[in-house]
Amino acid sequence: QLQLQESGPGLVKPSESLSLTCTVSGGSISSSSYYWGWIRQPPGKGLEWIGNMYNIGSSYYNPSLKSRVTISVDTSKNQFSLKLSSVTAADTAVYYCARNQHYYDPWGRGTLVTVSS
Amino acid sequence: QSVLTQPPSVSGAPGQRVTISCTGSTSNIGAGYGVHWYQQLPGTAPKLIIYDNSNRPSGVPDRFSGSKSGTSASLAITGLQAEDEADYYCQSYDSSLNSSVFGGGTKLTVL
Repeated sequence: QLQLQESGPGLVKPSESLSLTCTVSGGSISSSSYYWGWIRQPPGKGLEWIGNMYNIGSSYYNPSLKSRVTISVDTSKNQFSLKLSSVTAADTAVYYCARNQHYYDPWGRGTLVTVSS
Repeated sequence: QSVLTQPPSVSGAPGQRVTISCTGSTSNIGAGYGVHWYQQLPGTAPKLIIYDNSNRPSGVPDRFSGSKSGTSASLAITGLQAEDEADYYCQSYDSSLNSSVFGGGTKLTVL
């Protein structure tokens, strides 16, 4: 059964970069025709798509975040990563990783990242 | 403002039927892209309950059903149970934004 797990710092200072990793277990990140995505949810608010990437390196980002987001993949570690630069308090959210095949399933449990000095 | 519009809240008594709407436009739902629904219980990650408009993943009760017409989609829940109390989100793809898009979410309260 495919499982995803997010990891990374829970606290980031304003203007710095947020970096998270999603580790995939129970299947290969480089197999078949799947995309891998990041979605976030600010406290008490709805879901916001951040971006998707295909295992061969092509990626697609939310236009509102595109200038600050990079999603990369490390097939040797069966992981994919998110980097969000120049963060502000508005980037405080629970960050989820998920497999994408038009829909998102399964999801990781999520990790809360707080932007604060 | 979400690209897909959902009512902020719906409610129903145990055993009743409720529906949650998801309204889009000609660049997403109306363009033929699939609509997918997620259930998010308090403090947990979203869970896929309907994919490609009306398909249920294995393990999802048949009390949950989805439909799509024109630029809108709906999630119906019959035989409401207390455990159905959660937030529900619709999701699709928007060709003008080249983006996955989510609805703003609907909080279901079981009275």
